[in-house]
Amino acid sequence: NAGVTQTPKFRILKIGQSMTLQCAQDMNHNYMYWYRQDPGMGLKLIYYSVGAGITDKGEVPNGYNVSRSTTEDFPLRLELAAPSQTSVYFCASSYDGASNQPQHFGDGTRLSIL
Amino acid sequence: AQSVAQPEDQVNVAEGNPLTVKCTYSVSGNPYLFWYVQYPNRGLQFLLKYITGDNLVKGSYGFEAEFNKSQTSFHLKKPSALVSDSALYFCAVRLSGGSYIPTFGRGTSLIVHP
Repeated sequence: NAGVTQTPKFRILKIGQSMTLQCAQDMNHNYMYWYRQDPGMGLKLIYYSVGAGITDKGEVPNGYNVSRSTTEDFPLRLELAAPSQTSVYFCASSYDGASNQPQHFGDGTRLSIL
Repeated sequence: AQSVAQPEDQVNVAEGNPLTVKCTYSVSGNPYLFWYVQYPNRGLQFLLKYITGDNLVKGSYGFEAEFNKSQTSFHLKKPSALVSDSALYFCAVRLSGGSYIPTFGRGTSLIVHP
């Protein structure tokens, strides 16, 4: 009963490097989300997906890309890492778009860009 | 548009005393309201939600929340705080029948002193 799994848990990148943050869920949820969490700032939505093959921008999409080739996986790509992308990244999922359903969160990826 | 305010960055309470973590919201219609808890180095965990019906909602770990439509509030409460309740608490709102993208508050750090 894994829920939402994020890898890696920690990563240090150099400016300009690229990487992919992995997210997988085993609950057959259609909706998936990527957030970043900065101290005292709550959660900011980066991208979301309502199903395989469908993605859309959230509040802070610049510098990131996503894909959703399967229901289970929703990777987040950083192409040219910048210090402003130092943050904790959370992936979440929910069964459908009914707005009374809570989200299920992974434990996050802590990313530092130096 | 929808928004959430958590007016207190931090709440301090002694173990055994009642606790309240405040949340007010703004939506152009009926709200769905959620509380989540985040322990250190973990993702957000769902605590409880208000959809409709009884204004007092009971959730996990002995927490409850009271929906007040006239004051547009959804305060989280617990009759007797435990040291293990110390964590970051987030309130979130969605518009009933509207967007499935919730809006989160900035979070309130609850510190329960022994």
